[in-house]
Amino acid sequence: DTGVSQDPRHKITKRGQNVTFRCDPISEHNRLYWYRQTLGQGPEFLTYFQNEAQLEKSRLLSDRFSAERPKGSFSTLEIQRTEQGDSAMYLCASSLVGDIHGYTFGSGTRLTVV
Amino acid sequence: GQQLNQSPQSMFIQEGEDVSMNCTSSSIFNTWLWYKQDPGEGPVLLIALYKAGELTSNGRLTAQFGITRKDSFLNISASIPSDVGIYFCAGLSNFGNEKLTFGTGTRLTIIP
Repeated sequence: DTGVSQDPRHKITKRGQNVTFRCDPISEHNRLYWYRQTLGQGPEFLTYFQNEAQLEKSRLLSDRFSAERPKGSFSTLEIQRTEQGDSAMYLCASSLVGDIHGYTFGSGTRLTVV
Repeated sequence: GQQLNQSPQSMFIQEGEDVSMNCTSSSIFNTWLWYKQDPGEGPVLLIALYKAGELTSNGRLTAQFGITRKDSFLNISASIPSDVGIYFCAGLSNFGNEKLTFGTGTRLTIIP
């Protein structure tokens, strides 16, 4: 088990372009979370999945954001028509239901919108 | 989104010193967690607290779950260079969804 993997690690994009990030959770974990972290702040919750079902979305997740977990394994987070304010670290985490100690974060994807 | 208040924002200490930091919230949490984040990495769990008043240790780290359930404290004894990083508290109010609310972070720097 290699932990939670995120790809790419860094992404630079021009304003208005679409970007997609991928998260591969720990294989037996049924919960998958996305967080956003801006410079100097703590991570903020965006959305989470249990298996393939998206159970909650934060108000931070505007209409330009969409997340999927089609087969209950890996997940993608897409941002359409990127804005400079989308520049942040996007963190993925996975866990088993009720297992806080096993709640594991990936290394994140750092997005820079220029 | 909501962020918990952590203090201090940053600390500059010498190796061997003890460190204390705290986290406060306007709302109650049923679980308090402390994470450490190194540059370019995700947060790593240090300590989890599940009951009001609980005091838990993990090596040189000791954390307490406040009686009011609105605060928590982290102490690091005899700091070493690898303690450098950003420490975040996080609260969990609903054990059903495990959606974490993080603090604003305390950056620890060790002065040579």
